[in-house]
Amino acid sequence: QVQLVQSGAEVKKPGSSVKVSCKASGGTFSSYAITWVRQAPGQGLEWMGGIIPIFGTTNFAQKFQGRVTITADESTSTAYMELRRLRSEDTAVYYCARGETPLTHFDYWGQGTLVTVSS
Amino acid sequence: SYELTQPPSVSVSPGQTASITCSGDKLGDKYACWYQQKPGQSPLLVIYQDSERPSGIPERFSGSNSGNTATLTISGTQAMDEADYYCQAWDSNTVVFGGGTKLTVL
Repeated sequence: QVQLVQSGAEVKKPGSSVKVSCKASGGTFSSYAITWVRQAPGQGLEWMGGIIPIFGTTNFAQKFQGRVTITADESTSTAYMELRRLRSEDTAVYYCARGETPLTHFDYWGQGTLVTVSS
Repeated sequence: SYELTQPPSVSVSPGQTASITCSGDKLGDKYACWYQQKPGQSPLLVIYQDSERPSGIPERFSGSNSGNTATLTISGTQAMDEADYYCQAWDSNTVVFGGGTKLTVL
């Protein structure tokens, strides 16, 4: 059974950075893509970008270009999402999810990581 | 940029059929999928590639996609189906989600 387990909740100051991890188990990590989606309190889903670990190729939403980095470590089956220059509007639950590519449907999701940005 | 539009809310009586629409320019030329999200939970894929059901998803969930509209249909709606539903597609190397529809079963 595929599982995606994310790192714990974070509280950050405006202007700082956060790095969220997503460890996969029960499947072939490199054969799939990992995508990152966030959800602000009471709001809908917002795609941030994704990576295909075996190739290291990434896709990003234009909104986050230059502010987000997505990486993957095949040796530990872990993907990472780092968001820089945090502002209060980045307060959200951040999800990782697995798909055949970073763009197609996502069949397994992590439990979510709450990132709170507050001074 | 590409947009997907969903009605904010849909209501249905138990046992009846619920239909949730998702509209986008020439959406029928793309693959659409649907997620269910209950409060405090991660999204759950219920339909992919327009009409395919993942393993474990009840047969009462079905989907279609033609023209500018994709539709999620829940037949014999149950109280447990009350949730937010999001459609998703991709365009120009970007994933797009609809704004979500709150399904109320009453």
